[in-house]
Amino acid sequence: GAVVSQHPSWVICKSGTSVKIECRSLDFQATTMFWYRQFPKQSLMLMATSNEGSKATYEQGVEKDKFLINHASLTLSTLTVTSAHPEDSSFYICSASGTGGQTQYFGPGTRLLVL
Amino acid sequence: SQQGEEDPQALSIQEGENATMNCSYKTSINNLQWYRQNSGRGLVHLILIRSNEREKHSGRLRVTLDTSKKSSSLLITASRAADTASYFCATDSNYQLIWGAGTKLIIKP
Repeated sequence: GAVVSQHPSWVICKSGTSVKIECRSLDFQATTMFWYRQFPKQSLMLMATSNEGSKATYEQGVEKDKFLINHASLTLSTLTVTSAHPEDSSFYICSASGTGGQTQYFGPGTRLLVL
Repeated sequence: SQQGEEDPQALSIQEGENATMNCSYKTSINNLQWYRQNSGRGLVHLILIRSNEREKHSGRLRVTLDTSKKSSSLLITASRAADTASYFCATDSNYQLIWGAGTKLIIKP
């Protein structure tokens, strides 16, 4: 089946630094990638949708200048949390879908802790 | 990985009718969540029900949870064409989300 990887799997950083999370589709071309965040014991919240080669579409309430998304190729999307603060600590998950967009394949997630 | 089971796999009803989808799971859970996915779009969270809750409402949505049977149901009342989507359940167990395969719901005008 289709595989999506994320790197890093976990990261600890100081407040004020920027963190980049990569999402890769390993064996298929991902025309669309989705970024989610999840707080402990809460639901997955969609942050943004990115289509290869175009600007990401952000959900209401998500700061696009805070969470920079780049989807420069059909196998890679990156999420950069700029000037991270402790309240940005969360579990970030990406998913990818190919042409047709019928099935989403989820990455394993990246756990971010901002001190 | 998707270990939950949902039924039916597909459901087609007339606008105005009620739609019921079921989800069964295998392990003990902290909570169970229902999501909707419109074609080609990201998952949208609908309702989260905790393991100590039995029923929860949100607008036209009603979710029940039976932990003894390890099952949950999602009821959409007075369906509308805009409810056409795929619906997924996910169980939160030890901070890991386990997904069902989804139910594709089609509302006919």
